[in-house]
Amino acid sequence: RKEVEQDPGPFNVPEGATVAFNCTYSNSASQSFFWYRQDCRKEPKLLMSVYSSGNEDGRFTAQLNRASQYISLLIRDSKLSDSATYLCVALNAGNNRKLIWGLGTSLGVNP
Amino acid sequence: DVKVTQSSRYLVKRTGEKVFLECVQDMDHENMFWYRQDPGLGLRLIYFSYDVKMKEKGDIPEGYSVSREKKERFSLILESASTNQTSMYLCASSLSLEQYFGPGTRLTVT
Repeated sequence: RKEVEQDPGPFNVPEGATVAFNCTYSNSASQSFFWYRQDCRKEPKLLMSVYSSGNEDGRFTAQLNRASQYISLLIRDSKLSDSATYLCVALNAGNNRKLIWGLGTSLGVNP
Repeated sequence: DVKVTQSSRYLVKRTGEKVFLECVQDMDHENMFWYRQDPGLGLRLIYFSYDVKMKEKGDIPEGYSVSREKKERFSLILESASTNQTSMYLCASSLSLEQYFGPGTRLTVT
């Protein structure tokens, strides 16, 4: 079982829709999580950090459910520019600086 | 803004060549990382460094070495390039937990 698992998608939604992705992690001791976005053939860019129960930044909301060991990312009012791959990342509980990367969820927002 | 730069965006090398990939960050970050990213395999950690002249192996260090002589610079070396090292190479730096990436080097070994 992968340490961080994501549905690869693709998720195709119309502009203005609300879309949510889930990500599950296997190490219950993991304390910190991140969402990165990666555009095609570009580097990953930090979208949000999730240290406690959740975080909100404009149209983006991340929630952490420790009991069920998953993190979610909600995008409201989707824009064409939100089309990207979203990477879920967990901090390795055994090493404070090593990140465990999911394979990503692909999102396409259509006009 | 954090700025991480990598020496080349695209590189083509021949099998057996020694390859140097350079990464420079301008934010005085302690930690630097080298990853490779391949379709279906995601980001895999090759080496990382928490301080000057310090290095630790990541998940896939075989065939690679690194050098960190100055805080801002972290170099990845392919001792003898092979075709299975064709990949996108990404450098990252961090002060605490969040990592910031350079634009990547797409390396092709023929």
